[in-house]
Amino acid sequence: AQKVTQAQTEISVVEKEDVTLDCVYETRDTTYYLFWYKQPPSGELVFLIRRNSFDEQNEISGRYSWNFQKSTSSFNFTITASQVVDSAVYFCALSEASSGYALNFGKGTSLLVTP
Amino acid sequence: DAGVTQSPTHLIKTRGQQVTLRCSPKSGHDTVSWYQQALGQGPQFIFQYYEEEERQRGNFPDRFSGHQFPNYSSELNVNALLLGDSALYLCASSLGGWDIQYFGAGTRLSVL
Repeated sequence: AQKVTQAQTEISVVEKEDVTLDCVYETRDTTYYLFWYKQPPSGELVFLIRRNSFDEQNEISGRYSWNFQKSTSSFNFTITASQVVDSAVYFCALSEASSGYALNFGKGTSLLVTP
Repeated sequence: DAGVTQSPTHLIKTRGQQVTLRCSPKSGHDTVSWYQQALGQGPQFIFQYYEEEERQRGNFPDRFSGHQFPNYSSELNVNALLLGDSALYLCASSLGGWDIQYFGAGTRLSVL
């Protein structure tokens, strides 16, 4: 069963628009971590953020913000004022104590930002 | 400070052959994890090495094996290659298995 669901396969926006990438996860662990990674066309996965299961505070980093809600098992990612350089595939991932913290990735959301 | 480095960048093999992929972790990291990413999919966990031992393994057959050396670098070996093994193989390193994993650029393997 898919533990991380990214329902949006592809999103296309025009530069300067805000965009939210959805992530829903499933776990029975009380201790777990959630991640977002960015994969540009070069292929390398770039770490963006990690949150642990005990910290539901939202986080903002420049144009990026993350909303973690345990009540809905969601960890959504918002890019404000998108730029062409934001075009990439974005992956949400879950790591659980019960599986030795191996990363369990969603299928990714491909974001295209056009000028 | 060098990040995670993988070699080779690209590789072409034929069915039935064997392949070895290499990974050098980020400086200061002691744990290496390997992932397989098929086209259009998210990465799938293969296994993780710590202190030269396989600590965790995903749902991959025994044809996939690995090794970690005393300097923490690692190899991924795949025997009896199948067409379905064609993928991007990603190596990630961390300080301990629970810490943030940083990825290399990957090795793209094509099996013909």
